[in-house]
Amino acid sequence: EVQLVQSGAEVKKPGESQKISCKGSGYSFTSYWIGWVRQMPGKGLEWMGIIYPGDSDTRYSPSFQGQVTISADKSISTAYLQWSSLKASDTAMYYCARVRATADREVYYFYGMDVWGQGTTVTVSS
Amino acid sequence: QSALTQPASVSGSPGQSITISCTGTSSDVGAYNYVSWYQQLPGKAPKLMIYEVNYRPSGVSNRFSGSKSGNSASLTISGLQAEDEADYYCSSYTTNSPVVFGGGTKLTVL
Repeated sequence: EVQLVQSGAEVKKPGESQKISCKGSGYSFTSYWIGWVRQMPGKGLEWMGIIYPGDSDTRYSPSFQGQVTISADKSISTAYLQWSSLKASDTAMYYCARVRATADREVYYFYGMDVWGQGTTVTVSS
Repeated sequence: QSALTQPASVSGSPGQSITISCTGTSSDVGAYNYVSWYQQLPGKAPKLMIYEVNYRPSGVSNRFSGSKSGNSASLTISGLQAEDEADYYCSSYTTNSPVVFGGGTKLTVL
């Protein structure tokens, strides 16, 4: 079974660092992009960024560039999303998802997130 | 990067058809056939329902269909069922950012 399993809920204080994980199984982890999506309480989905575990090629949404770091360890089929200094406004549910992509002359076009993790709740409060 | 524009809510009775619109720009929806739609049931992760404007993943009911014209895309659900009540999000590949989502539409089955 193809699945992504995310790490458990976290409660942190402002200013603390945090790293959440997303482990893939049932497919070739290095052959698909992994994306991260934020959903703040009661709000919609926001695209954060994406990584190709095969070579760690990483792209960020302009809204999240410099705010978070996306990485992957292909040896253990795991992608990560991390913060160096959390803010209360980072309180949200975070989802990882496998991203389908097609390439044309070295440009990647992302066209669907077909497998999703169960989500990780991050709560930042003093 | 501005989100794609969706109506906040739509509603319909069982058996009816409804359409949810998704309006973007010439840098996203209008430029690429990489529009997808997601269903999110309360308390659950999103689920891919449509990709590349009008393709359904295996296992998704053929009551769901997608289309695009110019800078706007649409999701149509025919034969509405109570289980279709959920939030629906469109997304598109964009020139300026890998992907952008719509603001979401709450579907109520009356």
